[in-house]
Amino acid sequence: DVQMTQSPYNLAASPGESVSISCKASKSISKYLAWYQQKPGKANKLLIYDGSTLHSGIPSRFGGSRSGTDFTLTIKSLEPEDFGLYYCQQHNEYPFTFGSGTKLEIK
Amino acid sequence: QVTLKESGPGILQPSQTLSLTCTLSGFSVSTYGMGVGWIRQPSGKGLEWLANIYWDDDNAYNPSLKSRLSISMDTSKNQAFLQITNVDTADTATYYCARMDRQLGYHFDYWGQGVMVTVSS
Repeated sequence: DVQMTQSPYNLAASPGESVSISCKASKSISKYLAWYQQKPGKANKLLIYDGSTLHSGIPSRFGGSRSGTDFTLTIKSLEPEDFGLYYCQQHNEYPFTFGSGTKLEIK
Repeated sequence: QVTLKESGPGILQPSQTLSLTCTLSGFSVSTYGMGVGWIRQPSGKGLEWLANIYWDDDNAYNPSLKSRLSISMDTSKNQAFLQITNVDTADTATYYCARMDRQLGYHFDYWGQGVMVTVSS
């Protein structure tokens, strides 16, 4: 199975700041990485797929990038609604695997 | 508007079979390229992919649980189902179903809100 190592575990930031979350795959997954946002009582939301493609309706302050097996989710100019949990998922091969999650909190 | 809604028994006893239903709206599971996946999350822990089923009845399972899983669908009711046999306390989790459009890739573009399942004697 492809192991996804996500960091940091916790992240605290203020509205207006920019943050980055990393995900490293244990082997090549090409560009096939997705990012999701999870908030209590709401359905998980797809943000980015194929490493850098923004899902429909997602604000442009969310961005994804890739360098080899290292992937980064960047959120520019944080809005209050951006705080929550973030997960990466490799969608290159079965079994699909997820990172351990990053909790983005308000500083 | 695409929506998915999970339903399940809430609580069941060890060794029983867990049956989950995902009711789909806003798209048809029989449309070319469409798929539905099941993912679970124990409280306070991460996400684990369990299985997928596709418009052509193809399926895929997580090898770690494959012997206990069975995924199916009813195109007339636009529903997908997951059964897990011989459950134990480690199967206590929130179970999600999610849509996949294989024409775009193997990511989940819409999720249900999840259903909590507790396995307890």
